[in-house]
Amino acid sequence: AQSVTQLDSQVPVFEEAPVELRCNYSSSVSVYLFWYVQYPNQGLQLLLKYLSGSTLVKGINGFEAEFNKSQTSFHLRKPSVHISDTAEYFCAVSETNTGFQKLVFGTGTRLLVSP
Amino acid sequence: EPEVTQTPSHQVTQMGQEVILRCVPISNHLYFYWYRQILGQKVEFLVSFYNNEISEKSEIFDDQFSVERPDGSNFTLKIRSTKLEDSAMYFCASSEVSAGELFFGEGSRLTVL
Repeated sequence: AQSVTQLDSQVPVFEEAPVELRCNYSSSVSVYLFWYVQYPNQGLQLLLKYLSGSTLVKGINGFEAEFNKSQTSFHLRKPSVHISDTAEYFCAVSETNTGFQKLVFGTGTRLLVSP
Repeated sequence: EPEVTQTPSHQVTQMGQEVILRCVPISNHLYFYWYRQILGQKVEFLVSFYNNEISEKSEIFDDQFSVERPDGSNFTLKIRSTKLEDSAMYFCASSEVSAGELFFGEGSRLTVL
């Protein structure tokens, strides 16, 4: 069974500063990796995903993440955040043999961007 | 842009009552899912549904839960006799193919008193 750990429940940052949201996973099989964002009163929106190939993946809104197999990590980064990036961010994994069907989520990290 | 819509956005019910949460997936999608998030906890997979049958379900999805696609557009989650611990945000999602991106709805908040 897989599990996902997001150690930071909340990350405060000033506008235009860089940010990294950490995600570590555990799995005995190969996985797909995802980051979702949830803005207040909205559903989960896919930011980016790693399926195979290049370990650096770029997503929407200027976010990127790097898959590190040896460290079982998939940290999310943005070089310069905006106030509008304030949201809850969820890391998720799924086994490659089940595709996207069964996602296992982390507990989420709330990104708070202040002026 | 096509989206997954869920109703109601919030439902309050008494313990033991039946609840039906409704979802309209994106029209050309074939795979449907329910996830839930208890306040302060992780988003958890409940069930996936394809070709009018459940393709996978979690341990949470016991006999009190059922899903249905009654009319080719709606996808419903029924909880037969709600318990306090069923209070959560329930998310519906759909995808075009089994390995496709999941599109989530905004969620239905269920409060069981």
